[in-house]
Amino acid sequence: NAGVTQTPKFQVLKTGQSMTLQCAQDMNHEYMSWYRQDPGMGLRLIHYSVGAGITDQGEVPNGYNVSRSTTEDFPLRLLSAAPSQTSVYFCASSYSIFPTDTQYFGPGTRLTVL
Amino acid sequence: DAKTTQPPSMDCAEGRAANLPCNHSTISGNEYVYWYRQIHSQGPQYIIHGLKNNETNEMASLIITEDRKSSTLILPHATLRDTAVYYCIVRAYTGTASKLTFGTGTRLQVTL
Repeated sequence: NAGVTQTPKFQVLKTGQSMTLQCAQDMNHEYMSWYRQDPGMGLRLIHYSVGAGITDQGEVPNGYNVSRSTTEDFPLRLLSAAPSQTSVYFCASSYSIFPTDTQYFGPGTRLTVL
Repeated sequence: DAKTTQPPSMDCAEGRAANLPCNHSTISGNEYVYWYRQIHSQGPQYIIHGLKNNETNEMASLIITEDRKSSTLILPHATLRDTAVYYCIVRAYTGTASKLTFGTGTRLQVTL
């Protein structure tokens, strides 16, 4: 199992550009989520999905879009990048939303918006 | 989810046991205690979790007090590679999002 994979590892954007951060898992997990981590802060939940075709907003959803067409993939789209979106982005997945099921994280994408 | 309190930093000599405390005095009966760690800026790595019994796996042991208001993560023989930020999280089933609320954690420095 590759676990949770994320691409790209690093990305630099100009203000106003759009891009998609990719996340994939091969563990047949139903629950997937996106977090962002800023210096000195904990991880904050952006969007999550409890299964294919179902998504919902987390704490900080503004400026981001998600879709879940397959169980394996959960891409995060930045619609019009802003410097405030400079951050490290982590994707996570677990078998279900129940607290007995461990969430596993990907290696992260470091995004800089100029 | 209940709030957790951890010391901001700790030191440990290599080869010794590292005991990382966590206070979660407002934990409720259906909340699990989870521990993750983050090395540099890598993705958080799962370590261990428990509800009320003590737990052990190949990485660590988790000791939860009888009243469940605090817990201790034990790395039995710390190595330099265990230098990381350790996060204690309590987690419940909310019926919707299964959010992990990461605080600022404990920065563990393992030294020679």
